[in-house]
Amino acid sequence: KQEVTQIPAALSVPEGENLVLNCSFTDSAIYNLQWFRQDPGKGLTSLLLIQSSQREQTSGRLNASLDKSSGRSTLYIAASQPGDSATYLCAVRWASGTYKYIFGTGTRLKVLA
Amino acid sequence: DAEITQSPRHKITETGRQVTLACHQTWNHNNMFWYRQDLGHGLRLIHYSYGVQDTNKGEVSDGYSVSRSNTEDLPLTLESAASSQTSVYFCASSKASGSYNEQFFGPGTRLTVL
Repeated sequence: KQEVTQIPAALSVPEGENLVLNCSFTDSAIYNLQWFRQDPGKGLTSLLLIQSSQREQTSGRLNASLDKSSGRSTLYIAASQPGDSATYLCAVRWASGTYKYIFGTGTRLKVLA
Repeated sequence: DAEITQSPRHKITETGRQVTLACHQTWNHNNMFWYRQDLGHGLRLIHYSYGVQDTNKGEVSDGYSVSRSNTEDLPLTLESAASSQTSVYFCASSKASGSYNEQFFGPGTRLTVL
């Protein structure tokens, strides 16, 4: 069964710290993986999409890496700020014939001022 | 700017009533999706559509239906609302061509079934 897992479920860090959020998936034959941010009571905002042929993608202070062989992706946030506090979700698309994504349950991040 | 809108944003209804949640996108995307989000379960796919007149069941489709009569809209209908359908519902869309088809989400509808 294709599943996506995010551990830990919650994380608190002091402002300024560099941090890594983890996403693991069963079945390494993915098509692509997408990272989202969700603020309380809001919808999901796409942060980064990384194709199966890529090792990493960067946007500002965010860097997503992908290691298909180990079934893992990490989202690296540099110099964290209180405004980064949100829930971060990863979602995996497995087959090229479908556009469906399976989501992890997310990591709730709190950056303390 | 292109966007996805959902209405209503909040809805309270009674058990047994039919409810329709609207989703409208101006991205001109062929793919549209409905998810529900519940504590401990994350986002689960209810129904999806890859184009006009196309609809498909997701992993939690029982008690829900959709229809796609144009590119912009994919309304979600709860045939007979149940308390187990209390949830936050999200609509999303993505383009159908190419490999960089990220999903864009609407703001969500919070549905309470009493």
